[in-house]
Amino acid sequence: DAGVTQSPTHLIKTRGQHVTLRCSPISGHKSVSWYQQVLGQGPQFIFQYYEKEERGRGNFPDRFSARQFPNYSSELNVNALLLGDSALYLCASSLGPEQYFGPGTRLTVT
Amino acid sequence: GIQVEQSPPDLILQEGANSTLRCNFSDSVNNLQWFHQNPWGQLINLFYIPSGTKQNGRLSATTVATERYSLLYISSSQTTDSGVYFCAVKTLSNFGNEKLTFGTGTRLTIIP
Repeated sequence: DAGVTQSPTHLIKTRGQHVTLRCSPISGHKSVSWYQQVLGQGPQFIFQYYEKEERGRGNFPDRFSARQFPNYSSELNVNALLLGDSALYLCASSLGPEQYFGPGTRLTVT
Repeated sequence: GIQVEQSPPDLILQEGANSTLRCNFSDSVNNLQWFHQNPWGQLINLFYIPSGTKQNGRLSATTVATERYSLLYISSSQTTDSGVYFCAVKTLSNFGNEKLTFGTGTRLTIIP
């Protein structure tokens, strides 16, 4: 069975630009969560979506937004990129209480 | 919010050694997971263990929810065990969403 997939793998953007990251959950999983991991720290919760509705939001500015599609895939959008947004962005999916993570998208903002 | 602390922060061991990693949390939880993050950043599920004891090969884990800690045991370490180990918890007060709060991590290095 395919695991959680994310695209792109790596991305380099310039300050002020916009970025869209994509995630496909494990087949049958209806919940998708996004996490940001900066170097040397543990992942930090950004959003959770279930059945296309936002179920939770972490302490991130409004520049961060997300949505979930009818096929349960999800997009994370970040506007007006800052140098501090450089990080590994992780997507997780779940059917029950256990979450499964994708390989991540490594975003570099220059 | 809940605080999740892991110890030790760094651990260097010879191949074949055993190790114990600890995760302390400051509030009641209804979900606890252990992950291994490999050098490429992939988080690999090790255990879902909100309470009790589980074993999987050379790895085992114990969570004592009433005392707010969990332990991960690695026996007969191999170089492929190197990486960062995270525990992550979901609190009882976080009803309605699946937010995991991650610990500070333990960086394990196994020397051949």
